[in-house]
This record gives sequence, structure tokens and C-alpha cells, in this order.
Amino acid sequence: QKEVEQNSGPLSVPEGAIASLNCTYSDRGSQSFFWYRQYSGKSPELIMSIYSNGDKEDGRFTAQLNKASQYVSLLIRDSQPSDSATYLCAVRQYGNKLVFGAGTILRVKS
Amino acid sequence: NAGVTQTPKFQVLKTGQSMTLQCAQDMNHNSMYWYRQDPGMGLRLIYYSASEGTTDKGEVPNGYNVSRLNKREFSLRLESAAPSQTSVYFCASSDFDGRRTDTQYFGPGTRLTVL
Repeated sequence: QKEVEQNSGPLSVPEGAIASLNCTYSDRGSQSFFWYRQYSGKSPELIMSIYSNGDKEDGRFTAQLNKASQYVSLLIRDSQPSDSATYLCAVRQYGNKLVFGAGTILRVKS
Repeated sequence: NAGVTQTPKFQVLKTGQSMTLQCAQDMNHNSMYWYRQDPGMGLRLIYYSASEGTTDKGEVPNGYNVSRLNKREFSLRLESAAPSQTSVYFCASSDFDGRRTDTQYFGPGTRLTVL
């Protein structure tokens, strides 16, 4: 079992819809969770971090964490074509090592 | 303020050749990392350096060596390149100091092909 699992997609949503991206992790002791966005041919950039159970909102993005279910999600409201990218879920292990999922490809159709 | 820079951007090697990938950051970060990214595999940690003078193995260290030259620079060396090392290599840095806030900033990547 991979430590961090994501559906590879592609997830296709129409412009203006809500995109829902999901991630599960295996290490129950994990405390820090991150969502990175990666455009094709570019490097990853951090868009959200979450540390406590519940929701965290930042503009059109909402991260949700459920430690009991070992589940992290990212909601993107009012999806735009510019949101089309690969979204990487990352979980911090001991020290500052991050374990990344393989990523979900999101396509927003105009 | 350039952030994290990497050289070269592209490289083609023949099996058995050696090369060094260079990484530098100007954000005064303590921690630096080397990842490789392969299709369908996400980012995998090769080596990291929590602070100047220290290095530790990550998930996939075999076939690689690293040097933390100073606080700014962290290099990755392939002593005898193999086709399995064909990948995109990313360097990253962070200001992690033991707290949870530890954003990692990535360089633009090096696209390496080993024939």
C-alpha cells in the first residue's frame, strides 16, 4: 500500500463547477498535510496547508482534513480553465520529510 | 530574489557517465531537498539536508550522492548514470525549524535523459 494515495484522474469539470480532489494516507501519526499545484512542465507550488481536523478556506480553495478517516481533500469552487493542472497531496513525516501522492490531473473545460 | 535555482535545465548522458546537478537558494533556508519525479510516481525524496553540514537519505538514495557545500548550495551527483535515472529532478528548500510551518519551495527542475 502506498503511503499517500490519490486518484490519478483525469478529473474533468465544467468551468464554474466545484472540483473535489481526494487523498488518503497510511501513517496515522501524520500531523501536517499539504496541497501542491503543478502545471505541465513546471515545478510544484504550495496552495494549501492544513494541520487540524476540519476545514480551512483560502479564497476559492478549501482544504478538509479528517484524521480519524486518514483523509484529506481539496475543494476548488468556481473552477477556472487556469486551474487545470496536476494537484499533489503531501504528508509530512518525522523531521521535515514530505511524502507525495502521485497526483490528480484536473481539467476544467470552458 | 531568485528563490531556488537549478542547473542545468536539460541534460543527456550516456550510461556510465557522471554528472553533478547544482542547486542554490537565496532565501536563507536551513533545509534543502532533492526529489525525482517520474510519470505516475509523484515526487520521491532522494536526499535531504536539514542544516548546513548534515545530509540524510530519503526514499530512493541508491546511485546518488549529495554535498551540502554551504547554506545556499546543495548538489546531487550521479557517479555512473543508468537509464533508470532518467527523470525530472527537483531541488527544494524550506525554513523548517521544528515547527509545523514548513513550506517547501521548488526550483524549476532538471530534465535528465540517460541513454
